[in-house]
This record gives sequence, structure tokens and C-alpha cells, in this order.
Amino acid sequence: GEDVEQSLFLSVREGDSSVINCTYTDSSSTYLYWYKQEPGAGLQLLTYIFSNMDMKQDQRLTVLLNKKDKHLSLRIADTQTGDSAIYFCAERAGGFKTIFGAGTRLFVKA
Amino acid sequence: SQTIHQWPATLVQPVGSPLSLECTVEGTSNPNLYWYRQAAGRGLQLLFYSVGIGQISSEVPQNLSASRPQDRQFILSSKKLLLSDSGFYLCAWSVAGARHSNSPLHFGNGTRLTVT
Repeated sequence: GEDVEQSLFLSVREGDSSVINCTYTDSSSTYLYWYKQEPGAGLQLLTYIFSNMDMKQDQRLTVLLNKKDKHLSLRIADTQTGDSAIYFCAERAGGFKTIFGAGTRLFVKA
Repeated sequence: SQTIHQWPATLVQPVGSPLSLECTVEGTSNPNLYWYRQAAGRGLQLLFYSVGIGQISSEVPQNLSASRPQDRQFILSSKKLLLSDSGFYLCAWSVAGARHSNSPLHFGNGTRLTVT
């Protein structure tokens, strides 16, 4: 069945790079997404990548996709305290169902 | 631009009481609409989705129901709340149509429901 897995916690120092990893199971996924959730708020779409791409860069964010291993990562360069949040990986294989991971809580230490 | 509104932001209700959460979308027509529930430390569980007025699909059997009385209005309801209904409920929308079948979800700010 469809499943998305992420590690639950990541702690980094301010100014370092953060790398959040995700694995998914549905090989027919066409789009993969990264969402950010700040405390008490909804999910905000950060970026997404189409399955025929290996990499996508958007300012401080870099998404890497290894389709063979079904592995997705989000790198945040020069991590700031404002980046502290929960980051969700999600896949969509068509239809109406988007499958979310449990979220990775990023702690940024000043 | 499109916006999504969800209310109330927080709600405390006794067991056995009814529930009505409302969500409205502005700036787009005929969106796909969704209700998700987020449990602590877990991912998001899709509860219902709708592709048009009066069209509701349920993903999991539960104590909740959904309705879409207008194009951009989505309501989550229960006749009698259970303790297990506590959680964070999120409404979302996406662009409809086969051409946009992979369009991303856009979320409201959520409702924190505590059933006591």
C-alpha cells in the first residue's frame, strides 16, 4: 500500500544546513511535496518536485529525488530559528488522495 | 488570489454533543475540497473529499459526516461527539480538473477540537 516515512526529529545549529529525509512506496507517484507547519497553524506548501526531475532549487531550499530508491530529501541552507517547524513530505499518484508522512520536527538552536 | 477560511480556531465540546466546523474558499471556482485530521505525532488522515456541490466521498468509516451545500463551502459535522474525535482538523482545497489532477493542496489554519 501507499506509505510515506520520515524521521520524527532533527536538531541543527543556526547557520548550518538541515537535511530532512523521506521515503515513499508508491512508484507511480507523479508529484512529491514538502509542506511546513508552524505551531497551531495549517500546512504551508513549501515546494514540490515532479517525478521526472532529480533536483529542484528554490532560494535556500533544495529538493533531491532518487526515484530508484524512492527517496526524497529537503535541504535548507543557512537554517534560521524561523525555520523551526514540522516538515511534511507528501506524495500524490493521481486521484484525490495525497499521502503524508508523520512529519519531521526541526529544532534550530541559536 | 485564493484564500481559505476555517472556523472556529479552537473548540471544546462535551462527549455526546454535536459538531459543526465550517470552511470556505475564496478566489476560485469549483475547487476540490478536503477534510483532514491530524493526530499528535502522526501524519494527516484524509476524512472526506468533494469534487462538487453535494458530492462527498468518505475515506474512512467514522463518527463524522461532511456536506458541501455551496460550491466553496465545506462543512464537517457530527451528531454525537466521542472522546476519540479530539484532534486538529484541517480543511484544504486544490484546483479541480483532470489537467490538475496533481495540483497541490492548500490548507486552512485548522481547528483544534477537544472533546471532554
